[in-house]
Amino acid sequence: GENVGLHLPTLSVQEGDNSIINCAYSNSASDYFIWYKQESGKGPQFIIDIRSNMDKRQGQRVTVLLNKTVKHLSLQIAATQPGDSAVYFCAENHFSGGYNKLIFGAGTRLAVHP
Amino acid sequence: SAVISQKPSRDICQRGTSLTIQCQVDSQVTMMFWYRQQPGQSLTLIATANQGSEATYESGFVIDKFPISRPNLTFSTLTVSNMSPEDSSIYLCSDKITGIGELFFGEGSRLTVL
Repeated sequence: GENVGLHLPTLSVQEGDNSIINCAYSNSASDYFIWYKQESGKGPQFIIDIRSNMDKRQGQRVTVLLNKTVKHLSLQIAATQPGDSAVYFCAENHFSGGYNKLIFGAGTRLAVHP
Repeated sequence: SAVISQKPSRDICQRGTSLTIQCQVDSQVTMMFWYRQQPGQSLTLIATANQGSEATYESGFVIDKFPISRPNLTFSTLTVSNMSPEDSSIYLCSDKITGIGELFFGEGSRLTVL
């Protein structure tokens, strides 16, 4: 691969366990957040999003929690599978200079072990 | 979602040369963006590609180094000029259908500068 996630923190979990990936965001005015998954050699793929007027949103096997008080976002993956192994990035929407822009967090590598 | 195609998918370049990356979207989109992903790192926004006008660059990126074109709503190019080994990265094109919403990414162009 292209060493995606080589220098990023790693979360190691057993197959079947639940995973929780955390993200601290920077801008208290951010109004929209997304979690992306990036597999080796590929571009980021959308997982789930949440607007700032919500504190929880659920998808298939994934849940995103938003705590605006402490500017914290988390991604919960239920019954983690080997195919979930990837780097996960949170992104926050900034409105600046007349544009909405997505700014990415540092990322976490998820390693799923059988 | 709009499907994004980037060319080249990867290249090895000599120091001091320039390379132009092409991004083609299969439907008209409102906004296109270029990101850089250095080895093992997260995504950093380079610029917003504006249709028919000069791109809007983020802090730390300048037009002389990263000239961008967007002649229409479905096509953009990013040139990495006078390359050095520090420019070795994945360069990602992305697009957005609406103002606030998810970004869709291409597979990226992986440049190695010797």
